[in-house]
Amino acid sequence: GEDVEQSLFLSVREGDSSVINCTYTDSSSTYLYWYKQEPGAGLQLLTYIFSNMDMKQDQRLTVLLNKKDKHLSLRIADTQTGDSAIYFCAESGYGGSQGNLIFGKGTKLSVKP
Amino acid sequence: DTEVTQTPKHLVMGMTNKKSLKCEQHMGHRAMYWYKQKAKKPPELMFVYSYEKLSINESVPSRFSPECPNSSLLNLHLHALQPEDSALYLCASSQSRALTNLSYNEQFFGPGTRLTVL
Repeated sequence: GEDVEQSLFLSVREGDSSVINCTYTDSSSTYLYWYKQEPGAGLQLLTYIFSNMDMKQDQRLTVLLNKKDKHLSLRIADTQTGDSAIYFCAESGYGGSQGNLIFGKGTKLSVKP
Repeated sequence: DTEVTQTPKHLVMGMTNKKSLKCEQHMGHRAMYWYKQKAKKPPELMFVYSYEKLSINESVPSRFSPECPNSSLLNLHLHALQPEDSALYLCASSQSRALTNLSYNEQFFGPGTRLTVL
């Protein structure tokens, strides 16, 4: 079945760039998403990328997609303490997910002042 | 209004109680979802409603009973829960799940209800 993998933890200093990586297995994935979850809160969609794109930039966020390797990354420039949260990679597509979101386990980002 | 609201924020219940979780959105979305999220885990899909009809039930035990009384509201009725059902229950909504746009699924999440079963 479909699987989405992420590293569990990332620690950076304030002002540095953060890069969170994700790999997925479903080759029919058509959309890939990054969601942010702060403690005790719901999930907030940060950005998404369509599978025929290889890069998308939105202010401090840059998403890179390597479709051949099924690898997705989220780069946060000038990381702030308010960026500390869990970041979930997710995919949806016409394949086994039937359009539902398949989430990775989440990467906990800690930003040190 | 781009918000999904959920009530209550916190709920503590005994194993013999009956309670309900509520979710509301006014974005005109016709797909609504219930997820269960345990600590340090990703959300797990429980139910999907599309145009007020249950379209997906991910083998959820019958002690969880969803209801979609209209296009803006989604309820989750709880009865005879177990302590292992304690979790954050998240509601989400998205535009219609018509076959033509099935693959793009931007979901808007509510803040969740933190449920503790004693």
